[in-house]
Amino acid sequence: DAGVTQSPTHLIKTRGQQVTLRCSPKSGHDTVSWYQQALGQGPQFIFQYYEEEERQRGNFPDRFSGHQFPNYSSELNVNALLLGDSALYLCASSLGTGGQPQHFGDGTRLSIL
Amino acid sequence: AQSVTQLGSHVSVSEGALVLLRCNYSSSVPPYLFWYVQYPNQGLQLLLKYTTGATLVKGINGFEAEFKKSETSFHLTKPSAHMSDAAEYFCAVRRGSTLGRLYFGRGTQLTVWP
Repeated sequence: DAGVTQSPTHLIKTRGQQVTLRCSPKSGHDTVSWYQQALGQGPQFIFQYYEEEERQRGNFPDRFSGHQFPNYSSELNVNALLLGDSALYLCASSLGTGGQPQHFGDGTRLSIL
Repeated sequence: AQSVTQLGSHVSVSEGALVLLRCNYSSSVPPYLFWYVQYPNQGLQLLLKYTTGATLVKGINGFEAEFKKSETSFHLTKPSAHMSDAAEYFCAVRRGSTLGRLYFGRGTQLTVWP
């Protein structure tokens, strides 16, 4: 039973560039949430997708956008990268939007030079 | 508003000693509470959760936590630490059952000495 998978595992970009991170949810899950974890901090909620729509959003600028596909996989896009966007980006999946615990992938480590 | 406070960013114990990691929360509605563990270069693994019912919750790897509404706390304990318990631990709260967003504390790094 495959868990949550994320790609790539590591990524290096420069300021101003754009990046796309990908996530495949755990088998049987239909909801995907994205979190940003800066060094030494707890994860911060970016947004959640269910039925191909953004259902909730945290306090992140519009430079952060996402998408969910019919097979429930998801992408996180970040435009106009800033140094402060350097972080571990975690994808979590669950069944439905309430009640069930979220299962996390190993994350994508994004470094901005 | 929801928030989570983890007291102590670093905790060190000897192997075999009691582990106590503290978590206090604030929530405007009855909370769902979670503890996650993160090993180096990995994502978060769910240790245990409290939703409703019994306030003492048992999780994996011998960990347990007790929900104390009067103290707004959800402290994590393990009677006897093992070297393999060394990791970062995160407490998280969710607003009831209808919204999936998790609010995390800043984490506690647990070191276990031989």
